[in-house]
Amino acid sequence: TQLLEQSPQFLSIQEGENLTVYCNSSSVFSSLQWYRQEPGEGPVLLVTVVTGGEVKKLKRLTFQFGDARKDSSLHITAAQPGDTGLYLCAGEVSYNTDKLIFGTGTRLQVFP
Amino acid sequence: KAGVTQTPRYLIKTRGQQVTLSCSPISGHRSVSWYQQTPGQGLQFLFEYFSETQRNKGNFPGRFSGRQFSNSRSEMNVSTLELGDSALYLCASRPGLAGGGTQYFGPGTRLLVL
Repeated sequence: TQLLEQSPQFLSIQEGENLTVYCNSSSVFSSLQWYRQEPGEGPVLLVTVVTGGEVKKLKRLTFQFGDARKDSSLHITAAQPGDTGLYLCAGEVSYNTDKLIFGTGTRLQVFP
Repeated sequence: KAGVTQTPRYLIKTRGQQVTLSCSPISGHRSVSWYQQTPGQGLQFLFEYFSETQRNKGNFPGRFSGRQFSNSRSEMNVSTLELGDSALYLCASRPGLAGGGTQYFGPGTRLLVL
């Protein structure tokens, strides 16, 4: 069974702080995606990383895919209250299916 | 383009009943996937449809079924509802080319089983 473990599970920080969320697995994924989900809504894709070692930046968010394509991290610089939400990593099992294995989720709360 | 729409948004049922949830993908998208989200288990894959064919299935009992119509709209059905079926059911669509294109999620149907 392919599993994705995220840590931490909960994170409560002040505006302006930096944070890192980790997504780890013993399985290899063809790609890994990060989503953010807000209450009452479905997850919204933030980024897809495909190549081992790949680093992508989206404004204050930096995403990294591990060299072995088994793990990933999301780093947020100078967090803002608008970053509050549930962050989910999801691994794509193979190129022949849309099936995603979702991580356990990290609930982030940023206080002003 | 309109996003993925799901109906109904909220539903209350009692144990033993059955329920049908509907998903309309983004226009032009041919692939639809369903997920169940619960606080304890997180987001779990239910099934995936492409061009009216089930392409993949998750580890859920046979009470969970789905189908896709020729216009790519999809429905999922849960029979003999159990308390543990209470969850947010999410539908996602994408153009259908495996390995490419973003999956867009709908807002979900929140099902409460009493």
